[in-house]
This record gives sequence, C-alpha cells and structure tokens, in this order.
Amino acid sequence: AQKVTQAQTEISVVEKEDVTLDCVYETRDTTYYLFWYKQPPSGELVFLIRRNSFDEQNEISGRYSWNFQKSTSSFNFTITASQVVDSAVYFCALFGTGRRALTFGSGTRLQVQP
Amino acid sequence: DTAVSQTPKYLVTQMGNDKSIKCEQNLGHDTMYWYKQDSKKFLKIMFSYNNKELIINETVPNRFSPKSPDKAHLNLHINSLELGDSAVYFCASSYTRGAFPDTQYFGPGTRLTVL
Repeated sequence: AQKVTQAQTEISVVEKEDVTLDCVYETRDTTYYLFWYKQPPSGELVFLIRRNSFDEQNEISGRYSWNFQKSTSSFNFTITASQVVDSAVYFCALFGTGRRALTFGSGTRLQVQP
Repeated sequence: DTAVSQTPKYLVTQMGNDKSIKCEQNLGHDTMYWYKQDSKKFLKIMFSYNNKELIINETVPNRFSPKSPDKAHLNLHINSLELGDSAVYFCASSYTRGAFPDTQYFGPGTRLTVL
C-alpha cells in the first residue's frame, strides 16, 4: 500500500517569509519516485520536481528547495522569500513501480499575504 | 502549442444524463491517465492507458468508461450521471520506460457539475 501524508492543511505567511511544506510517504517499493505539483487558484496542476528513491541529494531551483530524507520517508519543500504569486495548493505525490500511478497527498494550501 | 488539452473546460448537466470528456496530448507520450479531484481537493487515479491498453482501472463505477482511440487521445464517457460525480477531472500523460515513469503532465481540468 502507498500513502502520502501532508499534515499541514493550510499555512499562512507574510511575503518574504520562508516556508516549509512537509511531506511524509509510505511505500513497500524499493524504487519509487516523488513529485511536487502546484495548483494555483486558476486550477491547473503544474509540475515542480521529480526525485527518484536512489537520489537523496537536495535540490535548489531559484527560491525553491527540496529536502529528501529516506531515513524519515520525508520529502519536504521550502520556499525562500515567499511571494504572493506562490499562493496555491501544493501536492506531494508518490509513484511506486508496483502501482504505476501517482498517489497524491491531500495538499497544503499556502496563502502568502502582502 | 498546448501540451495536454481537455474539452470541455466546464460541463453542467442534469442527473441521469450521459456525457463525455475528451483529452488529447501532443507530447508524443505513450501513457495517459484520468484523475478525479473532489470538492476537498483530493486527487485520485481512475484509469491509465499505455499504448491504447488499459493498465489501471481503480475502483470506479461501471458508469465510467474510458476509451483510447489512439496514443494521443483518451476520452472519458460517463453514463447516468449522479450528484456525487460532480468534481474536476484531470487528464495527464507521460512516457513510461519499463516500470519507470517519466513526469506526468496534466491538462487544465474539466469541472463537471451535476444538478
């Protein structure tokens, strides 16, 4: 069975604050992939990052960074110096080679106030 | 140069009607998916097709029937619509290399409202 937990339902920050979105996953697969997607108010799902289970290197892309820790089954996402345009629902997702479809977490709604 | 497109974007219909949602991708991908997002934003896989072959068929009522006429298209037909079918339906596509998935790219979604 696969499961993705995003315990933070909603986070509100003021612009320029840093914010971390948590993601914890469960899977029996030894090879799996983790993803983050962004869903802005307009409703589309925008791909942010893909990570495989063998690559625990942290990744930074501009103001975004990801911390993958296999030991704690976590794949957290940090936005540095948040902006109003970052306001969206963020989904963490898992693709296990056994199931072959994305299992999504319940999402974290981020509101960045000006 | 739309990558994954869905029509219609909005669909409002009466209970009991039959409706279809169309999905097309021009990315050359070999795998397509349908996901359902409910009113609480929860996203769940419904179906996936690889090279026109059904790969995943989750616990979805028989009233939902996917059809893939070719690798670039995956349509969703829903019979006898019920109030609980109201949701946003997302189509997605990706390459699949053996058991390893490439990134899934999503269409804009179709918001279905059943009255």
